[in-house]
Amino acid sequence: GENVEQHPSTLSVQEGDSAVIKCTYSDSASNYFPWYKQELGKRPQLIIDIRSNVGEKKDQRIAVTLNKTAKHFSLHITETQPEDSAVYFCAAWISGSARQLTFGSGTQLTVLP
Amino acid sequence: KAGVTQTPRYLIKTRGQQVTLSCSPISGHRSVSWYQQTPGQGLQFLFEYFSETQRNKGNFPGRFSGRQFSNSRSEMNVSTLELGDSALYLCASSLPPGLDDNEQFFGPGTRLTVL
Repeated sequence: GENVEQHPSTLSVQEGDSAVIKCTYSDSASNYFPWYKQELGKRPQLIIDIRSNVGEKKDQRIAVTLNKTAKHFSLHITETQPEDSAVYFCAAWISGSARQLTFGSGTQLTVLP
Repeated sequence: KAGVTQTPRYLIKTRGQQVTLSCSPISGHRSVSWYQQTPGQGLQFLFEYFSETQRNKGNFPGRFSGRQFSNSRSEMNVSTLELGDSALYLCASSLPPGLDDNEQFFGPGTRLTVL
């Protein structure tokens, strides 16, 4: 089955700096890669996603890049703010009869004021 | 549009008991997936239901089961509870399988504690 590895497990940055979280996946059939933000005690919320036919996607301060050849994708947050502090999960999705979402282990991002 | 709802939000059970959790998807969503979230194992896929049929199942023992009703509401059941079943159980709804069916909308979760 699919395996998703996520690094780093914890990340601390100064407010205003950029943060980068990286994930690799194992199954080349994966074709959709969402990123979720989970604040303490709350549900995961989709913040950005990318499909396998796209190399990069941006939404304001958040961007995701995908390298299908290397099977890795990354989340970039620019101009970080204290409210960006949360756990971020990457995931990989395989469509079809065996469809399921496989998550990375999560990154605890702390933005220091 | 109302979001995904889950009941109950919190449960405390003892080892050996069984538990049933409920999930109501977003109106129009016919696919419901269940996930277990623990500090040690992260977010793990349990199973997915669509049209009252289990479409896919993760790597969990048979004590974990589920079902889906004709109105797309879903329940999951855990029998013979073990301490390790303590977790946040999340359900997520999505559009039926097909184009643009990927995005999963999560409910608030049910926090299960097994004593």
